[in-house]
Amino acid sequence: DTEVTQTPKHLVMGMTNKKSLKCEQHMGHRAMYWYKQKAKKPPELMFVYSYEKLSINESVPSRFSPECPNSSLLNLHLHALQPEDSALYLCASSQESEQFFGPGTRLTVL
Amino acid sequence: AQSVTQLDSQVPVFEEAPVELRCNYSSSVSVYLFWYVQYPNQGLQLLLKYLSGSTLVKGINGFEAEFNKSQTSFHLRKPSVHISDTAEYFCAREDTGRRALTFGSGTRLQVQP
Repeated sequence: DTEVTQTPKHLVMGMTNKKSLKCEQHMGHRAMYWYKQKAKKPPELMFVYSYEKLSINESVPSRFSPECPNSSLLNLHLHALQPEDSALYLCASSQESEQFFGPGTRLTVL
Repeated sequence: AQSVTQLDSQVPVFEEAPVELRCNYSSSVSVYLFWYVQYPNQGLQLLLKYLSGSTLVKGINGFEAEFNKSQTSFHLRKPSVHISDTAEYFCAREDTGRRALTFGSGTRLQVQP
């Protein structure tokens, strides 16, 4: 299995909602990542987990809360988001220097 | 901060013509370089990577890139493009000791019939 899966594919939420994005990989990778990609822009790093521990937080607002329950799963909990948080959220995993990306979750905040 | 520069935001080209997408990076002691492709409404797919060794790197779908340390460049080339190559292309770097990618701004390759 050489895939990174992300659910849901699309998510629409209000500013008072709480929702979660899920990412899963079964390649035995020990590093997992969240990126945010706005339209017509490159992906921007949000968080990196290495061996299930948060190793990089790129000064992301606390309304985004990552969680790595085990080495195969990565969640991103969302609460009180703003319309400007609407974007494609990409998950990736890696063992060495090649990152494998999932298809992303398209998030719209109303 | 270490950076990646893609000078061309869009590159229009006719089918079966050659293409070069340019990428320059800020100098570093040790850097890994990558090219990713993103088709509409999809995630990123790795085309090729340079970690060390031979400066000419061959990737998938007929793409290749050359690492040039003196010019701090890593340009992507394909001798003959297809309509299906129409996509967004991102050059990226990973600096030793930091397990994260820094992307260039992207180049939209538009292949015309």
